[in-house]
Amino acid sequence: QSVLTQPPSASATPGQRVTISCSGGSSNIGTYYVYWYQQLPGTAPKLLIYANNQRPSGVPDRFSGSKSGTSASLAISGLRSEDEADYYCAAWDDSLSGVVFGGGTKLTVL
Amino acid sequence: EVQLLESGGGLVQPGGSLRLSCAASGFTFTSCGMSWVRQAPGKGLEWVSGISGSGGTTYYADSVKGRFTMSRDNSKNRLYLQMNSLRGEDTAIYYCAKGREGTAGSLFDYWGQGTLVTVSS
Repeated sequence: QSVLTQPPSASATPGQRVTISCSGGSSNIGTYYVYWYQQLPGTAPKLLIYANNQRPSGVPDRFSGSKSGTSASLAISGLRSEDEADYYCAAWDDSLSGVVFGGGTKLTVL
Repeated sequence: EVQLLESGGGLVQPGGSLRLSCAASGFTFTSCGMSWVRQAPGKGLEWVSGISGSGGTTYYADSVKGRFTMSRDNSKNRLYLQMNSLRGEDTAIYYCAKGREGTAGSLFDYWGQGTLVTVSS
């Protein structure tokens, strides 16, 4: 059972917009920045969003992040086949004195 | 270019020990907190431990506390994870991850390719 809760799967067709949610609590998302990672099949995770809504250089602006209270979300617009991957949210947790991850969301591009 | 290269993984029997290493380059190593994150086969990501840029602060997940020790050698730009009393549930790919800031709890902006640890008799 992960501390941060994500839907296990999501799907959409090319060109559509999809949103992935991440729910936590006051000791993690409610206080600290949320990060999002993309993991393509057979590869290491890659930073997608940091500090709730900031994109590292090289990440397309089709990817956006937001946070409200103890929840966060990742939105992907103009979906492409190469976006098919696992997506993870993460944050620092004060109560656990550690980094916590969501269980991951497997995105399928139909 | 940031590079993180893990080594030291392999097959070990339950109760055994293993030492992982991560060679870092392309950034100011002492300015960055570092972490180890693992991924069991077919499972999600699990943070294992973090260390501050100076090495003075470390944090561990409850699942490894008392068994794993994280350290760093800033003169060699290397990160280590000493794993003792290994169990089957420690079987995973272990990733070295660079923090965006200098604290031990800093979230990560770069990841290595990982090294596989298999605990089995």
